[in-house]
Amino acid sequence: GENVEQHPSTLSVQEGDSAVIKCTYSDSASNYFPWYKQELGKRPQLIIDIRSNVGEKKDQRIAVTLNKTAKHFSLHITETQPEDSAVYFCAAGDSWGKLQFGAGTQVVVTP
Amino acid sequence: DADVTQTPRNRITKTGKRIMLECSQTKGHDRMYWYRQDPGLGLRLIYYSFDVKDINKGEISDGYSVSRQAQAKFSLSLESAIPNQTALYFCATSDSGTGGYGYTFGSGTRLTVV
Repeated sequence: GENVEQHPSTLSVQEGDSAVIKCTYSDSASNYFPWYKQELGKRPQLIIDIRSNVGEKKDQRIAVTLNKTAKHFSLHITETQPEDSAVYFCAAGDSWGKLQFGAGTQVVVTP
Repeated sequence: DADVTQTPRNRITKTGKRIMLECSQTKGHDRMYWYRQDPGLGLRLIYYSFDVKDINKGEISDGYSVSRQAQAKFSLSLESAIPNQTALYFCATSDSGTGGYGYTFGSGTRLTVV
């Protein structure tokens, strides 16, 4: 089955700096790669996603890149703000619609 | 988002007790999932159901069972709870009509087994 590895497990950044989280996946048949943000005590919520026929996608301060050949994808957050502090999960979707999640990255943005 | 409702929100139970976690949704989605979240381990799939007559084991189904009572309801049971089942449990739904990937999560149930 699919295996998703996510790094780093924790990330501290100064407000205004950029944050990058990286994930790798094992199943070359995976075709959908979402990113979820989970604030403390809340449910995970989708913030951005990318499909395997696209290499990059942007939405305001966040962007996701996908390298199918290398089987890795990354989340980029620019101009970080305190409200970006949360746990971020990457996931890979198989052809049946199931998601395999990474272990999560705790992002802390310090003023 | 009240579209996916989990009950209870918090529960403390004793080792060996049977407990049921419930999930109901008003999104009209056909697919439902149960995940557990543990620190440093992410979200791991316990069981999933693609329609009322379809039930499948996930990666960590041992010690758990499920029931899909209707399209809108999917329950998770721990037949004999043990302390290492202490975790945060999430129900999620998705719609096969849109590819099945757009998960909506419930608010979670925090379960403590003592």
